[in-house]
Amino acid sequence: SQTIHQWPATLVQPVGSPLSLECTVEGTSNPNLYWYRQAAGRGLQLLFYSVGIGQISSEVPQNLSASRPQDRQFILSSKKLLLSDSGFYLCASAAGGGVEQFFGPGTRLTVL
Amino acid sequence: KQEVTQIPAALSVPEGENLVLNCSFTDSAIYNLQWFRQDPGKGLTSLLLIQSSQREQTSGRLNASLDKSSGRSTLYIAASQPGDSATYLCAVRGIAGSARQLTFGSGTQLTVLP
Repeated sequence: SQTIHQWPATLVQPVGSPLSLECTVEGTSNPNLYWYRQAAGRGLQLLFYSVGIGQISSEVPQNLSASRPQDRQFILSSKKLLLSDSGFYLCASAAGGGVEQFFGPGTRLTVL
Repeated sequence: KQEVTQIPAALSVPEGENLVLNCSFTDSAIYNLQWFRQDPGKGLTSLLLIQSSQREQTSGRLNASLDKSSGRSTLYIAASQPGDSATYLCAVRGIAGSARQLTFGSGTQLTVLP
């Protein structure tokens, strides 16, 4: 089965600072990769997904971006964080064909 | 646009009770449906996956059903235990799109009292 690693586990950043969250996957090749955000009291919102290296699709307009430099590496970035970027960020992976998604442990981001 | 609703938003039951969590979705053209469990501050753990052609799936004390035509799924938990306390999320995967994205409900927060 797949194992998804995310780091850091928690992060506190000031408004206007840059962001880089990393996700790596073990146990599969050429997965579909996803970034979700879960705000307090709300459901999961899909931010980005990728079906291959260098292929990124954005679901919502925002000041975040994603990149996939390697097959099993997915990075979420921002040049300048906003207060509204606070939340719980989850990376997910699905094997080719996307039958079942597996999630990482998440990163808790607090923007002050 | 697919919308997923979970009722109730919160549920508290005494230990040992059987319980049902509900999930409904607006677009019946789904590829599959997945139930997850989320403990506070943690990621999601996949519990059960039901393909669109299936009616139910079972894993231990959990049983999930799917009625695609009516846009409904239920998660049945038998003989509930305090360790079952968590938020349960339902998600449907659409047919359209190569990535087959998931649309999530807001979850049901379950508390099982000892």
